[in-house]
Amino acid sequence: RKEVEQDPGPFNVPEGATVAFNCTYSNSASQSFFWYRQDCRKEPKLLMSVYSSGNEDGRFTAQLNRASQYISLLIRDSKLSDSATYLCVVTLRGYKYIFGTGTRLKVLA
Amino acid sequence: DAGITQSPRHKVTETGTPVTLRCHQTENHRYMYWYRQDPGHGLRLIHYSYGVKDTDKGEVSDGYSVSRSKTEDFLLTLESATSSQTSVYFCAISPGQGGTGELFFGEGSRLTVL
Repeated sequence: RKEVEQDPGPFNVPEGATVAFNCTYSNSASQSFFWYRQDCRKEPKLLMSVYSSGNEDGRFTAQLNRASQYISLLIRDSKLSDSATYLCVVTLRGYKYIFGTGTRLKVLA
Repeated sequence: DAGITQSPRHKVTETGTPVTLRCHQTENHRYMYWYRQDPGHGLRLIHYSYGVKDTDKGEVSDGYSVSRSKTEDFLLTLESATSSQTSVYFCAISPGQGGTGELFFGEGSRLTVL
């Protein structure tokens, strides 16, 4: 079983739609959680950290459920520029970053 | 943007030749990482470093070695390149401190082994 699992998609959604991605992780000792965004042929960049209480950044909301070991990302009012691959990341022992394979999102005009 | 550069950005080589990729940072971050990214596998950790001369293996370290003689430089060497090592290689840096630090990536090095 992979340590971090994501639905690869693609998720094709119209502009303005709300879309949600989930990610599950297998190691209960995972410490920190992140969503990264990766555009085609570019390096990954941090989208947002994920906190136990849930957190929001504009149109993006992230949730963490430690009991069920999953992380979610909700994107409201999707824009064409949101089209990208979204990577779920967890850390172990403070320095080991483990990536999911990513979920591809395509926002359609 | 974090000061992290990779070189070369593109390289084509032949099977059996040695290859060295360089990662250079200007952030004085403690942790440096080498990942490879392949379709269907995502980013996989090859090696990482937690200080000068302090390195450890990741999940796909076979066929790769690393060195870190200075804080700012982390070298990845393919001893004898194989076609299975054709990939995009990303270097990343982090200040560490309990895993709360953001991981910053270089722009990637695209390696093709013929």
